[in-house]
Amino acid sequence: DAMVIQNPRYQVTQFGKPVTLSCSQTLNHNVMYWYQQKSSQAPKLLFHYYDKDFNNEADTPDNFQSRRPNTSFCFLDIRSPGLGDAAMYLCATSRFGTSMNIQYFGAGTRLSVL
Amino acid sequence: QQQVKQSPQSLIVQKGGISIINCAYENTAFDYFPWYQQFPGKGPALLIAIRPDVSEKKEGRFTISFNKSAKQFSLHIMDSQPGDSATYFCAALGDSGAGSYQLTFGKGTKLSVIP
Repeated sequence: DAMVIQNPRYQVTQFGKPVTLSCSQTLNHNVMYWYQQKSSQAPKLLFHYYDKDFNNEADTPDNFQSRRPNTSFCFLDIRSPGLGDAAMYLCATSRFGTSMNIQYFGAGTRLSVL
Repeated sequence: QQQVKQSPQSLIVQKGGISIINCAYENTAFDYFPWYQQFPGKGPALLIAIRPDVSEKKEGRFTISFNKSAKQFSLHIMDSQPGDSATYFCAALGDSGAGSYQLTFGKGTKLSVIP
């Protein structure tokens, strides 16, 4: 049973056309993360929410935004996608305060920019 | 900057052999050391993890060995199978100070198990 669900699995957008990726979770975790993963590279953290508190990584471009309307859902908005933003985008969740704070990943959304 | 160094970058092992992937870290404030397995087009999946106060953890064919004094840990896959062919990431988990724990990933090892 999928616990971290990302939609869509594949997204094609045009250069400069805004795009939104979604993530939902059934784990009732209080932390949700967005990662960017390019081919043959490790995932790179963009930002995370601890409950409603947003935490941005220092090197995340302003072009990337996020929303978390409730515990279960989190969205990644790319305001003006460039060719360099083509990548796999991974959502992960964890429960801060548990013994090991394990992060569980979704299957990812593969973004192509034409 | 916190770093986790992983080697080798790629590994080819014969079916039935032992696959060994090594990682080293710099920050002593890490609390937990997970290994993730990622198949092409999929998200990383937690494979096995260890705390720094434990020297070894075994789950089935997968074993983590941890050397706290050397700041090194490794993944051993016994009786490697073609289905184990994937990219493996070591990681270290530490308190970000912003209400969460953050993963610092190694660069990954692409494992190919050949029949």
